[in-house]
Amino acid sequence: EAQVTQNPRYLITVTGKKLTVTCSQNMNHEYMSWYRQDPGLGLRQIYYSMNVEVTDKGDVPEGYKVSRKEKRNFPLILESPSPNQTSLYFCASSFYGGQQETQYFGPGTRLLVL
Amino acid sequence: EDQVTQSPEALRLQEGESSSLNCSYTVSGLRGLFWYRQDPGKGPEFLFTLYSAGEEKEKERLKATLTKKESFLHITAPKPEDSATYLCAVQAAYTNAGNNRKLIWGLGTSLAVNP
Repeated sequence: EAQVTQNPRYLITVTGKKLTVTCSQNMNHEYMSWYRQDPGLGLRQIYYSMNVEVTDKGDVPEGYKVSRKEKRNFPLILESPSPNQTSLYFCASSFYGGQQETQYFGPGTRLLVL
Repeated sequence: EDQVTQSPEALRLQEGESSSLNCSYTVSGLRGLFWYRQDPGKGPEFLFTLYSAGEEKEKERLKATLTKKESFLHITAPKPEDSATYLCAVQAAYTNAGNNRKLIWGLGTSLAVNP
């Protein structure tokens, strides 16, 4: 089954404790993104990756890091989480071909930083 | 500035009561307009992509249409299971930001269908 998976789905942590949220897709997509979703602010892109070893900042990259060492994986790293990073996070992947582009989303990771 | 505005913010319908959701956009050349459905606490689920004015796509009770300035998501005879937030996003054909794959998102319309 074609899908994007994220782990963990729920996470409670404390300020300053490094964490990683994993994202994996099995569709051989070259483009992957991380979003955060907050009430009243909608979906905002954190980082994106055009392909392996090619990553760049989105609209709200502060406090986050990413890496793309393999095509299927795109982990999101919070080196020193703060309470304002409490949010619902989504990983997404897509490919563009024949004028068709569909972005597939993971199930989400709900993060609470105390 | 590229922007997407969805209206209404919230809509409550009776089962069987047809209606439309609006997505208006300003973008420097439209590469694609996307509709997604999102259930609470879950990831957005792809519904449609529209690429040019006049294009229409249908899926069950949903029909999406596109003009040069807006898109409509028509819901015909909705059922309670159609209750969700419907998100609209656009992809610009021309961008200075370096990411021509970026989606610009609206805040969504929260739809509730009462039985």
